[in-house]
Amino acid sequence: DADVTQTPRNRITKTGKRIMLECSQTKGHDRMYWYRQDPGLGLRLIYYSFDVKDINKGEISDGYSVSRQAQAKFSLSLESAIPNQTALYFCATALGAGVTNEQFFGPGTRLTVL
Amino acid sequence: AQSVTQPDIHITVSEGASLELRCNYSYGATPYLFWYVQSPGQGLQLLLKYFSGDTLVQGIKGFEAEFKRSQSSFNLRKPSVHWSDAAEYFCAVGPNLALKLSFGAGTTVTVRA
Repeated sequence: DADVTQTPRNRITKTGKRIMLECSQTKGHDRMYWYRQDPGLGLRLIYYSFDVKDINKGEISDGYSVSRQAQAKFSLSLESAIPNQTALYFCATALGAGVTNEQFFGPGTRLTVL
Repeated sequence: AQSVTQPDIHITVSEGASLELRCNYSYGATPYLFWYVQSPGQGLQLLLKYFSGDTLVQGIKGFEAEFKRSQSSFNLRKPSVHWSDAAEYFCAVGPNLALKLSFGAGTTVTVRA
């Protein structure tokens, strides 16, 4: 589903570098999320935002920061990347708080920190 | 606290055979339960969801799941597997889809000819 896009799709970087992962959506959703996926651990929530002025930490926010530049854009930053941040990162969006509203996921960004 | 356990890390099934993926959850209130599928190189796609009502829910791609409160389970089933069903499957629980979800570790399904 091209409505949620992530850039870059793959990134290799070195320890200590600053990295930004970007997420854009054309679905008009107000809620956006960042997850990381690690083998054997499933998806874990890093940060989530219910609108441009509302940013919330998830279960594993240490070492990460986010910026909601507009309703359609939600960026994830690693200020000083470390090897254990090597993972697959997913952005997701959802509309409002309705119980029937699902989260739509982007294709993922594979990040490798050497 | 909410949590999800998927006991099977990897399942291999023959094409045309039936498939059942197990999911057990822990949640303090009435759970909202979901199954997502992740095909290789793709994001997650919602297969089905349970909020209330009929405990047997139908989803896309011929999948169904049954909610059993007494067993704290939400197992996913498909009567006849196709090669395209080879993927990783995630069970999730949460207050509702737009709030924080807790995902299981996933079950990888391999389909052999």
